Amino acid sequence: GENVGLHLPTLSVQEGDNSIINCAYSNSASDYFIWYKQESGKGPQFIIDIRSNMDKRQGQRVTVLLNKTVKHLSLQIAATQPGDSAVYFCAEKGATDKLIFGTGTRLQVFP
Amino acid sequence: GAVVSQHPSRVICKSGTSVKIECRSLDFQATTMFWYRQFPKQSLMLMATSNEGSKATYEQGVEKDKFLINHASLTLSTLTVTSAHPEDSSFYICSASWLDQETQYFGPGTRLLVL
Repeated sequence: GENVGLHLPTLSVQEGDNSIINCAYSNSASDYFIWYKQESGKGPQFIIDIRSNMDKRQGQRVTVLLNKTVKHLSLQIAATQPGDSAVYFCAEKGATDKLIFGTGTRLQVFP
Repeated sequence: GAVVSQHPSRVICKSGTSVKIECRSLDFQATTMFWYRQFPKQSLMLMATSNEGSKATYEQGVEKDKFLINHASLTLSTLTVTSAHPEDSSFYICSASWLDQETQYFGPGTRLLVL
């Protein structure tokens, strides 16, 4: 089925460095995208979103970049902290209410 | 704002019994609620979409008679796993949104273990 993966890609960074997490989305008609953070044993937490009429959006320490030409989404985290350690999911939304989730990336932050 | 709760947070039950999981929107009226299932080290898989006062729409491959969903009010949806079996053991997560809101806000999840 969709989004089945037994091995999560892992990004390891040192505390204080910047992190970039990438996501390739599937539907060129998707017009809304969200990044979620999921800590172990918890539900996903909203981080930032972006609509297809934008290519960049900034939040507090986070930036989302959207490249519609290649259907690519990225999440940049500045000055990564140990509390940022989690699994990060991108999600896309098209004409329906449904969100389609990516496979996820595990971010590990080392002191 | 946009807080979603789930109860219970974890449940252990015997094979063949039924389990009910509640999802509540605490500070907003949720016109739509979604139920997901997540297996270890995997992404979220949508099971069904539920609009208040109407029947849930199930995703392909999800048995509607096994996973009963009720969305009787704008702040409460329930998922009942009927005749649970060990393969139903998983992390069940609900999310909610309201009219014209595209973002879904997630509950903390319910860990189900069927023995």
